[in-house]
Amino acid sequence: DGGITQSPKYLFRKEGQNVTLSCEQNLNHDAMYWYRQDPGQGLRLIYYSQIVNDFQKGDIAEGYSVSREKKESFPLTVTSAQKNPTAFYLCASSTGTGLTNVLTFGAGSRLTVL
Amino acid sequence: AQSVTQLGSHVSVSEGALVLLRCNYSSSVPPYLFWYVQYPNQGLQLLLKYTSAATLVKGINGFEAEFKKSETSFHLTKPSAHMSDAAEYFCAVNGGTGKLIFGQGTTLQVKP
Repeated sequence: DGGITQSPKYLFRKEGQNVTLSCEQNLNHDAMYWYRQDPGQGLRLIYYSQIVNDFQKGDIAEGYSVSREKKESFPLTVTSAQKNPTAFYLCASSTGTGLTNVLTFGAGSRLTVL
Repeated sequence: AQSVTQLGSHVSVSEGALVLLRCNYSSSVPPYLFWYVQYPNQGLQLLLKYTSAATLVKGINGFEAEFKKSETSFHLTKPSAHMSDAAEYFCAVNGGTGKLIFGQGTTLQVKP
């Protein structure tokens, strides 16, 4: 079955360390997204990519970086510059970027900074 | 700029009772609106979407939502709650270039 795979599901990090979250999709979707979820704040967009080798900052990009070298993959790096990285991170993808665009989500990665 | 506001961070209903989750939107252009559901420690799943074809939209699991332009609302309803409906629900609006702008979420508790 097609879908989005995020790994790892749980990740612990020491302060000052960078960590990379993996997101792979086999849906042949062009667009991919990273959201951060915190209790009571809903989902906030970190980065998104509409096509390979191109990506744009979302609302809370500071302290994060991404790459889009392959259509299937959109890894997110949480750098030491991110002041409060403990959160649930969700990757999503979609066929395009139209107004009726439906996002398909992965199961998420929970990052805890010790 | 587009935004959505979900009224009530927690809603509690008895099993078999009506479910009503409230969402109001703000948009400078005709909005395209969505409801997603999230079960604990999982990703989001689409319940339904409004794309201007009909103001009453039916989704999965017996949920439906009505778009009311005059009230800038897109409330989610279900006639009879089941225990399996307990989850977090998110309203979202298309923010352009495919990205969605989400509300703060409403946690639905269903009591036996």
